[in-house]
Amino acid sequence: KNEVEQSPQNLTAQEGEFITINCSYSVGISALHWLQQHPGGGIVSLFMLSSGKKKHGRLIATINIQEKHSSLHITASHPRDSAVYICAVTVHTGNQFYFGTGTSLTVIP
Amino acid sequence: NAGVMQNPRHLVRRRGQEARLRCSPMKGHSHVYWYRQLPEEGLKFMVYLQKENIIDESGMPKERFSAEFPKEGPSILRIQQVVRGDSAAYFCASSEDSNYGYTFGSGTRLTVV
Repeated sequence: KNEVEQSPQNLTAQEGEFITINCSYSVGISALHWLQQHPGGGIVSLFMLSSGKKKHGRLIATINIQEKHSSLHITASHPRDSAVYICAVTVHTGNQFYFGTGTSLTVIP
Repeated sequence: NAGVMQNPRHLVRRRGQEARLRCSPMKGHSHVYWYRQLPEEGLKFMVYLQKENIIDESGMPKERFSAEFPKEGPSILRIQQVVRGDSAAYFCASSEDSNYGYTFGSGTRLTVV
């Protein structure tokens, strides 16, 4: 079983839709990260959070430490949001990341 | 601030050759992490280094792979006698401190032919 599970694995949305990607983890963490990877491209760190909620533009990330769950929301989705979104956690006992397998998002005009 | 610089972006090696991947962390960052993304798979941790020290190499294959982060210069991930299964994207990330945010490089895509 992976330490980090994401859902859905694939997601197709119409432009303008509200999108939610979920992440659950099974280990004690020091922080949770949401990353974005475009096809053939590098990785961009979107959020690092250890409690509560963060917002950046149309992106919102929340985390519930008790439930070991995080969500990434995209409001008013746009085709340029099409990418793979990866949830990752850094654990208390070390400094490495554990990664989810990613959610592939396609936003159709 | 140029961010995390990885080079080369693409690297082609024949089986049995050596591959050297370079990572220059962001200015002021002394923590470097290497990750591997195999085709159709997620990212996997390989090694965590601070200046001149390997802190955690639990994700590194036991043979042919080594990493260093010298006092001067970039961090190097070295793969000796490459095999086709080493073909992957190798990402480097750096941070000022393990409690701070991480910045990723654009990755090096290694193809072994």
